[in-house]
Amino acid sequence: GAGVSQTPSNKVTEKGKYVELRCDPISGHTALYWYRQSLGQGPEFLIYFQGTGAADDSGLPNDRFFAVRPEGSVSTLKIQRTERGDSAVYLCASSLRGSSPDTQYFGPGTRLTVL
Amino acid sequence: SQELEQSPQSLIVQEGKNLTINCTSSKTLYGLYWYKQKYGEGLIFLMMLQKGGEEKSHEKITAKLDEKKQQSSLHITASQPSHAGIYLCGAKGSNYKLTFGKGTLLTVNP
Repeated sequence: GAGVSQTPSNKVTEKGKYVELRCDPISGHTALYWYRQSLGQGPEFLIYFQGTGAADDSGLPNDRFFAVRPEGSVSTLKIQRTERGDSAVYLCASSLRGSSPDTQYFGPGTRLTVL
Repeated sequence: SQELEQSPQSLIVQEGKNLTINCTSSKTLYGLYWYKQKYGEGLIFLMMLQKGGEEKSHEKITAKLDEKKQQSSLHITASQPSHAGIYLCGAKGSNYKLTFGKGTLLTVNP
């Protein structure tokens, strides 16, 4: 079956612009996660969805970051007024339930570069 | 907050050699995940360990969990160039989110 897909694979934008990153989880997975990975670091948690609702958005760095999952499937991570420090690989993962034990399967990521 | 320390940070081995990567947690481990990542790609799930003393193997990769030491190890036997990549350990605390180590970069020379 299809894995987690993310689009675009690469995004280059200018400082101050708005960007949207899309994640298509594995079919039937109710839990969806966004992580951010900077160079030389492990992924860092941003937000967790259970169904349509954001169950935990404690990892979002500030109010420029927002994510939605309106129908409980596809999710979009939105970044307003991008800054150079937002440059990173944004990873999406999904899992069947969200509860433990539950394996998170990752997409290929979107590499965001803010000039 | 939970922190994971991986060692070594990088490793270069000759094809055919065995190697071990370690992951140590600052807090109790409720579940430990091993992933592999290649440049420009996402994380590929390798194994999950839940119980102290648990050991799992897949092909030439074996992972163990020492709950008392809050540590896990990943052992590769007879390494091949296809094993090259970044190995990441991730811990699930008392909730669903994963906390990752910084990764171990493995290079296998033919």
